[in-house]
Formats: sequence, structure tokens, C-alpha cells
Amino acid sequence: AQRVTQPEKLLSVFKGAPVELKCNYSYSGSPELFWYVQYSRQRLQLLLRHISRESIKGFTADLNKGETSFHLKKPFAQEEDSAMYYCALKGSGNTPLVFGKGTRLSVIA
Amino acid sequence: SAVISQKPSRDICQRGTSLTIQCQVDSQVTMMFWYRQQPGQSLTLIATANQGSEATYESGFVIDKFPISRPNLTFSTLTVSNMSPEDSSIYLCSVVSPAGSEQFFGPGTRLTVL
Repeated sequence: AQRVTQPEKLLSVFKGAPVELKCNYSYSGSPELFWYVQYSRQRLQLLLRHISRESIKGFTADLNKGETSFHLKKPFAQEEDSAMYYCALKGSGNTPLVFGKGTRLSVIA
Repeated sequence: SAVISQKPSRDICQRGTSLTIQCQVDSQVTMMFWYRQQPGQSLTLIATANQGSEATYESGFVIDKFPISRPNLTFSTLTVSNMSPEDSSIYLCSVVSPAGSEQFFGPGTRLTVL
């Protein structure tokens, strides 16, 4: 079974502080992992995916297969990073994304 | 990319009635899904909308309650039948890009059942 766990419902950090949003997954095969973000009053949008190994808006995430984790990190949080963040997993084939419960990031000025 | 629109954007309905939500995509897509996002919760997959055949429902969701149509590769409808307050939620249409590399989401339909 596929499962995505985001242990923190809410994370509050001060502007300029480092951010780490945790994500752990359970999947028997080789998954694709994603982070989606939903800003206030906007639709859900893709932030980054593990296969791209890219940095978007200063965020990075590394897939750790040993720990089955895909934590999202940013060295210096900005106020505009305040949003809801969802970790998602895609299994093999034409399967839809499975989402974690989400973490609300609040960056305090 | 794929641009998705949904109608209506929101509605307030009475208990026992039904609402049909429309999803329109600006390009032909193979994979189309319907999700539900209950207040304060994550996205839960309701079903995969299959073109030309019956939708594939996830555990806990049934066709009688959530009938789905997919007449072509750019359009689908989800009906929420015999609504109760527990059906109050945001319903989202989602598609996989033609290249298969990304899953896109519509703006959602916010449903409130009184």
C-alpha cells in the first residue's frame, strides 16, 4: 500500500530561519516523490519533484530511500513561503498521486 | 502544461439534493481524476475517470453516490448525489499532462451542504 506521512500539521518559523518540512513514505517499489504547494486562495501547484533534483524558490528535497524520506528544506524562510505544503507519491504506471495530510508553514516577520 | 477549469466554483446546497460538477481541460489527456478535500484535511482520491468506460472508484467511494461521466478526453463530470452535510468539501479535478510528467489540478469546487 502507498502511504505518505507528514508528521507536522503546523510549522511556524521566523523569517530568515531554516525550514524543514518532513515527509516519510511507504511503498514497495520505486516511487516518484513530489512536493505541492497551495498558497492562500490559489490552486494546488507543483513545487518540485525528486527526479528533477532542482531548487525551486530556494527549496530543495532529497529522496532518501534508506530512510524512506523526502524532506523539504530551505535555508532562509521568507514571508511569502507561508502556505500549505503537501508531499505526494506516485507509484509505477498510470497511477494518481497519493497525498500526505499537509503541513501549514507560517513564516513570522 | 494543462489548464483545467471547473464549474461551479462554489455552491450551497440543501440536504438530499444532487450537484453535478464539470471539469474542462484545454488539451486531450488520458488520465483524469477526482479528489475530495474535506475541511482541514488532505486530498483523497475519489475515482479515476475513464474515457468510454465506467470510472474506477477508490475504497470508500461508490458509483451510486458519486457517478462520473467522461464522454471525451477533455471533459468529465462528477455528481454528488443525495447530499448530506458530511459531503461539504472541496472537489478537485486533476489530470496528468500529455507527456505524463506532471499532475495538474483544477481550482476546485467548494460545496457546502446545509
